[in-house]
Amino acid sequence: QKEVEQDPGPLSVPEGAIVSLNCTYSNSAFQYFMWYRQYSRKGPELLMYTYSSGNKEDGRFTAQVDKSSKYISLFIRDSQPSDSATYLCALGSNYKLTFGKGTLLTVNP
Amino acid sequence: GAVVSQHPSRVICKSGTSVKIECRSLDFQATTMFWYRQFPKQSLMLMATSNEGSKATYEQGVEKDKFLINHASLTLSTLTVTSAHPEDSSFYICSVREVNEKLFFGSGTQLSVL
Repeated sequence: QKEVEQDPGPLSVPEGAIVSLNCTYSNSAFQYFMWYRQYSRKGPELLMYTYSSGNKEDGRFTAQVDKSSKYISLFIRDSQPSDSATYLCALGSNYKLTFGKGTLLTVNP
Repeated sequence: GAVVSQHPSRVICKSGTSVKIECRSLDFQATTMFWYRQFPKQSLMLMATSNEGSKATYEQGVEKDKFLINHASLTLSTLTVTSAHPEDSSFYICSVREVNEKLFFGSGTQLSVL
């Protein structure tokens, strides 16, 4: 079993939809959790960072962590065509980050 | 967060030549920088950790003689792909880690070896 599992998609939604992106993990030692957005041929951009179970909201984005279930999610409300990108989860402990494979999201106008 | 500049964004070279990629931390003194490699539709794979003033630490399976890393100052790390071959064609990305473990990435370099 891989340390971090992320459905690669692709995921296609209409503009304005609520998007749910998920990662599961097996290593309970992970202490902090991040979501990155990566446009094609660009470096990843940090969207959300959290280190505790529960929800964290930033504008249209909500990061959710459930440590007991080893499950993290990113929700995007009122999705826009500009949200079309690959979204990577990243989980860290002891100064080491492990990335998911990324989910390719397309938001159609 | 930290601003990271990476250059060039794209390079095409002939097999057997060497290619240097620069990574600059513009607003953060980075004692440590990281080099990743990413194949199409794959995740980021850590290649090596670049340490200012000392030798880089390479991940298992990464040839240190092929991927030369130099971190001569707190703002600059370079990755040189020596004697490049078509299988080295990939997207290379550098990053800087802030004290709170957040990673900030450069814009990446697409290397194509003919």
